[in-house]
Amino acid sequence: NAGVMQNPRHLVRRRGQEARLRCSPMKGHSHVYWYRQLPEEGLKFMVYLQKENIIDESGMPKERFSAEFPKEGPSILRIQQVVRGDSAAYFCASSPQGGQENTEAFFGQGTRLTVV
Amino acid sequence: GQNIDQPTEMTATEGAIVQINCTYQTSGFNGLFWYQQHAGEAPTFLSYNVLDGLEEKGRFSSFLSRSKGYSYLLLKELQMKDSASYLCAVSKADSNYQLIWGAGTKLIIKP
Repeated sequence: NAGVMQNPRHLVRRRGQEARLRCSPMKGHSHVYWYRQLPEEGLKFMVYLQKENIIDESGMPKERFSAEFPKEGPSILRIQQVVRGDSAAYFCASSPQGGQENTEAFFGQGTRLTVV
Repeated sequence: GQNIDQPTEMTATEGAIVQINCTYQTSGFNGLFWYQQHAGEAPTFLSYNVLDGLEEKGRFSSFLSRSKGYSYLLLKELQMKDSASYLCAVSKADSNYQLIWGAGTKLIIKP
């Protein structure tokens, strides 16, 4: 039973390019959360998705960032026209349910994005 | 506003006991989580408290006082592998799926 899988583990992009980060939740999990972690800082919530629906994107910048979780395939976090400030570790977590339940979330290994 | 405070760094000796504190101020409360994160790795779940009191799980225990907005993680019989960051996170009552995270406490274990 594989855990949460994120790829790539490391991603280097030049300023202005696009970054695509992928997350496959644990088997049986239909809720995905994306977090950003800057060096020496805590996790910052970005977006919460269920299959084909964005439930809460209040932590995601309005411009250049988008997220999706299609019916088939992994969840994608997309960053367009990357800037140096986007350099961070991006973690994905999944849970079997969200909403009213305080269910433990399981994290992927993260994608470390470096913008040069 | 919402705020979670933890010490930035702590040092302890192998075999000893250490207590990591976390204070919080959030708009609503529906539980507090502790996660462990080794450098460069994903956070892993340690404990969840929603009622006042102490929850013990092996060498790790977690305490919660809702009236004081305070929690601590207690680690006993420290081992070198316990060197990691310990993250405190609070679940908001109005949106249980959204965790508000502290910056983490970096714990350094010395022989």
